[in-house]
Amino acid sequence: EVQLLESGGGLVQPGGSLRLSCAASGFTFSSYDMSWVRQAPGKGLEWVSAINTGGGSTYYADSVKGRFTISRDNSKNTLYLQMNSLRAEDTAVFYCAKVHYDGSGYLFDSWGQGTLVTVSS
Amino acid sequence: EIVMTQSPATLSVSPGERATLSCRASQSVSSNLAWYQQKPGQAPRLLIYGASTRATGIPVRFSGSGSGTEFTLTISSLQSEDFAVYYCQQYNNWRTFGQGTKLEIK
Repeated sequence: EVQLLESGGGLVQPGGSLRLSCAASGFTFSSYDMSWVRQAPGKGLEWVSAINTGGGSTYYADSVKGRFTISRDNSKNTLYLQMNSLRAEDTAVFYCAKVHYDGSGYLFDSWGQGTLVTVSS
Repeated sequence: EIVMTQSPATLSVSPGERATLSCRASQSVSSNLAWYQQKPGQAPRLLIYGASTRATGIPVRFSGSGSGTEFTLTISSLQSEDFAVYYCQQYNNWRTFGQGTKLEIK
């Protein structure tokens, strides 16, 4: 069974930094692209970032480009999101998601339970 | 950016009845469309991908249809556990989600 367990969320002041982690198990982590998706309180889902299997290719939403960095450690089966220069509008639950390629494109077939990031003074 | 628009925002249906949810893309996404279900306090769950393929373990009462810019998620006979928020997501050009449809008990 696929399990994704996020950690690292919390309260941070505007302009501050936070590093999220996602521990994966139940599948061959190094064989799958991974993503982060966030959800502001009471709002919909927003794709944030993605990384390929080896970590050499990374992708970001315009809203976080230049401030967030996605990375992975395949030896530890762990995905990361380094978040710098945080803003109030970054307040959200951040989900780690396993990427599935269906032969045509990439979607999210498994999700963690999420970790809440609150940016406030 | 491809904009996904879901309708209605809220749908009230009685248990046992059929529910039909719509999703429209601002430009063609071919069949690269997924549907997710999210219950309060839980992570989203993949229901449908490729516009019409049910994900592993998803009951047959869930079905998806459409291509191009118009898509539909149908739940044939609503069970109590189906009342939730449903999101569509295109993955033809990066990934964007609709704003969600809340399916509530009538």
